[in-house]
Amino acid sequence: QSVLTQPPSASGTPGQRVTISCSGSSSNIGINTVNWYQQLPGTAPKLLIFTNNQRPSGVPDRFSGSKSGTSASLAISGLQSEDEADYYCAAWDDSLNGLVFGGGTKLTVL
Amino acid sequence: EVQLLESGGGLVQPGGSLRLSCAASGFTFSTYAMTWVRQAPGKGLVWVSGITGTGFSTYYADSVKGRFTISRDNSKSTLFLQMNSLRADDTAVYYCAKGLRGLLDPWGQGNLVTVSS
Repeated sequence: QSVLTQPPSASGTPGQRVTISCSGSSSNIGINTVNWYQQLPGTAPKLLIFTNNQRPSGVPDRFSGSKSGTSASLAISGLQSEDEADYYCAAWDDSLNGLVFGGGTKLTVL
Repeated sequence: EVQLLESGGGLVQPGGSLRLSCAASGFTFSTYAMTWVRQAPGKGLVWVSGITGTGFSTYYADSVKGRFTISRDNSKSTLFLQMNSLRADDTAVYYCAKGLRGLLDPWGQGNLVTVSS
């Protein structure tokens, strides 16, 4: 059972916009920033969004992040087949004094 | 280019020990905190441990506290994870990553640790 809650799966057709939610609590998302990771099949995770809504260089602006209260979300617009991957949210938890991840969301491009 | 290269994984019997290494290059290693994250086969990411740049402060998940020790040799730009009293549920790909409080970038390629008799 992960501390952060994500839907296990999401799907969309090419060109569509999909969102992935991440729900936490006052000890993690409520007081710390959220980061998102993309893990393509068979590869190491890659930082996708940091500090709630910032994109590292090289990440397309189709990817965006937001945070409100104890929840966060990742939006992917103009969905492409290469976006098919697992997506994880993460935030530091001050009560646990450690990093917590969501359980991951498997995105399927139909 | 920032690179992280892990080594030291493999097959170990339950109760055994293993030490993972993560060789860093392309950045001033001593000024960055580092983290270990693991992923059991077919499962999600789980944070294991973190260490500050000086090595003065360390952090552990409850599941590994007292069994695993994170350390670093800043003179060799290398991060370590000493794993003792290994259990079957420690079987996972172990990743090292630059950073600590959630902003982990980049990640190493991963190193498989299998605990089995």
